[in-house]
Amino acid sequence: DAKTTQPPSMDCAEGRAANLPCNHSTISGNEYVYWYRQIHSQGPQYIIHGLKNNETNEMASLIITEDRKSSTLILPHATLRDTAVYYCIVRVYRNQGGKLIFGQGTELSVKP
Amino acid sequence: GAVVSQHPSWVICKSGTSVKIECRSLDFQATTMFWYRQFPKQSLMLMATSNEGSKATYEQGVEKDKFLINHASLTLSTLTVTSAHPEDSSFYICSPLGYNEQFFGPGTRLTVL
Repeated sequence: DAKTTQPPSMDCAEGRAANLPCNHSTISGNEYVYWYRQIHSQGPQYIIHGLKNNETNEMASLIITEDRKSSTLILPHATLRDTAVYYCIVRVYRNQGGKLIFGQGTELSVKP
Repeated sequence: GAVVSQHPSWVICKSGTSVKIECRSLDFQATTMFWYRQFPKQSLMLMATSNEGSKATYEQGVEKDKFLINHASLTLSTLTVTSAHPEDSSFYICSPLGYNEQFFGPGTRLTVL
């Protein structure tokens, strides 16, 4: 599975949009981009995933560049509860589900 | 949907004892289970993968005789840390595979004195 590069930390003001970048320049055509987050001392929480089209759900939006070498997770109105480590993962969608390999992630701090 | 429970949520034990961690998928069946551990300020590290009724496959560097995994049913998997030592103190997270997606348990914090 392709590796990803994320900034180690970011700050965001409460109520503003949080834009978390991820580089995955070696992504293959059949690999999806997944985003998870982990609030301190909890299990990871699924946020969103996509292949090549932009995706939006109730939690966030995922913007994938046309060449698929990078993506951005957008939390439109960040709250203090969004403070967490955000993981960008690329993996093949296999029959049994590709195992998720976590990188170092981005520690997002939402400040009042 | 996709509720996963782990028990216990935290445990403190003496060095040399064994600790069993249970992971249950409450509303779906999981043919595959992943176990991760996480040291403070670090990312999740995959330890092993198990399929129901089969022996687990361990990642490089993970001792299979120390971390015993049992996946006897589609809703229950256990991880037993045998002869635990302080360096085994960590946050252990199970991740059952359901609907072709991985879900995650809330984690178990193990502290070995």
